[in-house]
Amino acid sequence: GENVEQHPSTLSVQEGDSAVIKCTYSDSASNYFPWYKQELGKRPQLIIDIRSNVGEKKDQRIAVTLNKTAKHFSLHITETQPEDSAVYFCAATLNSGYSTLTFGKGTMLLVSP
Amino acid sequence: GAVVSQHPSWVICKSGTSVKIECRSLDFQATTMFWYRQFPKQSLMLMATSNEGSKATYEQGVEKDKFLINHASLTLSTLTVTSAHPEDSSFYICSARGTEAFFGQGTRLTVV
Repeated sequence: GENVEQHPSTLSVQEGDSAVIKCTYSDSASNYFPWYKQELGKRPQLIIDIRSNVGEKKDQRIAVTLNKTAKHFSLHITETQPEDSAVYFCAATLNSGYSTLTFGKGTMLLVSP
Repeated sequence: GAVVSQHPSWVICKSGTSVKIECRSLDFQATTMFWYRQFPKQSLMLMATSNEGSKATYEQGVEKDKFLINHASLTLSTLTVTSAHPEDSSFYICSARGTEAFFGQGTRLTVV
């Protein structure tokens, strides 16, 4: 089955800095890679996703890059703000309604004012 | 967009009792739903895949007789934690896939 590794487990940055979280996956058949933000005690919220037919996607301060050959993808947050503090999870799966997501272990991002 | 609703959001129960958690897809039909468990400061771990009209598929190490899953309709899946024990205390979240994965609000189960 799929295995997703995520690094780092914790990341502390100053407000305004950039933050980068990296994930690798094992199953070359995976073709859908979402990123979730989870605040304490709440459900994960999709913040951005990328499919294997593109290499990069950007949405305001958030961007995701995908390298299919190396089987890794990364989340980039620019101009971080304190409200970006949360746990971020990457995931990999087949782009199908019947396929579960395999999550990375999560990255706790702390943005200090 | 599509919404998945989970109920209750929190529950406290005594050891040995059973607790039922409901997961509903509100504006789309979910042939398949997923149940996850999340311990503090850890990732979401898939427990089982719930298939409408058939038996659930459980992940290795998850006791199917303890975590009963019923997916009787295209909009409702339930997870029943039977004979709950303190080690079952956790955050349980359901999910359904549409164009993306949608999550329920989660249920914080505390067994005392």
